[in-house]
Amino acid sequence: SSELTQDPAVSVALGQTVRITCQGDSLRSYSASWYQQKPGQAPVLVIYAENNRPSGIPDRFSGSSSGNTASLTITGARAEDEADYYCNSRDSSTNHVVFGGGTKLTVL
Amino acid sequence: EVQLVESGGDLVQPGGSLRLSCAASGFTFSNYAMHWVRQAPGKGLEYVSAISSNGGSKNYANSVKGRFTISRDNSKNTVFLQMGSLRAEDMAVYYCAREYCTVNNCYPMAFGYWGQGTLVTVSS
Repeated sequence: SSELTQDPAVSVALGQTVRITCQGDSLRSYSASWYQQKPGQAPVLVIYAENNRPSGIPDRFSGSSSGNTASLTITGARAEDEADYYCNSRDSSTNHVVFGGGTKLTVL
Repeated sequence: EVQLVESGGDLVQPGGSLRLSCAASGFTFSNYAMHWVRQAPGKGLEYVSAISSNGGSKNYANSVKGRFTISRDNSKNTVFLQMGSLRAEDMAVYYCAREYCTVNNCYPMAFGYWGQGTLVTVSS
């Protein structure tokens, strides 16, 4: 399958921990990356190769994977973490990039 | 500092053509594959096309195959997206992007650098 499935919306209370998931068959073979996108802005890479943070990304962002599911965890969510989050990986059948549909995170 | 600057977005009629450009700076352009990703209004990210560092390998999403052509000019540090037979569903912000690299490795599926995007509007 070439699809990556994400929950459309997730909410978290300020200071709490939230997990955003991404499911797809290709994740059994290839690692996921995660992007944060705020309104009117380009996406920002927050996790690459499953569980690595680019320089400048706070350590409250972490990634993990199990089977066909990749997860982005935000520990101690802040108001500025409210954004859309996308996963991506490689489509195992076409070798193309594939994105998940995105998850809108609301920080309450 | 890596910079990607897209241009060329415009209002075009259905069936029309448009060429987008992405000017790169701050890195050795000829060493990297480049990608186009689009985002329709209020929608998610969609991969469009990619081109290898020397231009010898290209791929396209099924939704644009046969209508869009990606190319690059390494002497001008620029990647292009020639768009033809445009449809309403091609209306989107088009981003160019580059893979993320550390000192030791590059990660082809991780887009660490993005331009600001250029808006393509398809309407009569």
